[in-house]
Amino acid sequence: AQSVTQLDSQVPVFEEAPVELRCNYSSSVSVYLFWYVQYPNQGLQLLLKYLSGSTLVKGINGFEAEFNKSQTSFHLRKPSVHISDTAEYFCAVTSGAAGNKLTFGGGTRVLVKP
Amino acid sequence: DAGVIQSPRHEVTEMGQEVTLRCKPISGHNSLFWYRQTMMRGLELLIYFNNNVPIDDSGMPEDRFSAKMPNASFSTLKIQPSEPRDSAVYFCASSLEGVKETQYFGPGTRLLVL
Repeated sequence: AQSVTQLDSQVPVFEEAPVELRCNYSSSVSVYLFWYVQYPNQGLQLLLKYLSGSTLVKGINGFEAEFNKSQTSFHLRKPSVHISDTAEYFCAVTSGAAGNKLTFGGGTRVLVKP
Repeated sequence: DAGVIQSPRHEVTEMGQEVTLRCKPISGHNSLFWYRQTMMRGLELLIYFNNNVPIDDSGMPEDRFSAKMPNASFSTLKIQPSEPRDSAVYFCASSLEGVKETQYFGPGTRLLVL
């Protein structure tokens, strides 16, 4: 079975400050990892995904994430946030053993303050 | 590209009534997913289809819920009879078939059962 834990339910951050959102997963097999963002009153959209290769993955809007197999983590970072980054962020995992079914974490709500 | 289309966007109904939610996936996508999002339970996968065939319905809460995909361009999620605890935002997502593929989410249907 696979599972995802997002350690922070809410992260307040000031505009232009860096932010890191933590994600840990558990799976007995090789995994593929995703970060999605949900802006208020919208559906989720993909920020980035790790499939293989380089462990540092760059996504849209200046976000990046690092896959760490030994720590079973996939933390998301942005060096300087904008007000428009206020949203909820979801980490997700799939291994293929469950078909193309994604398991999502509980989400981290980011509030960017001016 | 119209993206995933869901209707209605908002639905208010009374307990005991039948509710039907509709989804049109992105053309060419052959996987379709129905999710439910609530504050208490987060984002839950209800059911998913590959090539119009239900693959995993283990997330469907109970017999009051049913989903169909009669063709590649249309799916429905039906709740009969509806209950107040069904109040949630229901998302449809579609993707190409395969574990590495990005899921594209619709804007959601906000359901309130009184």
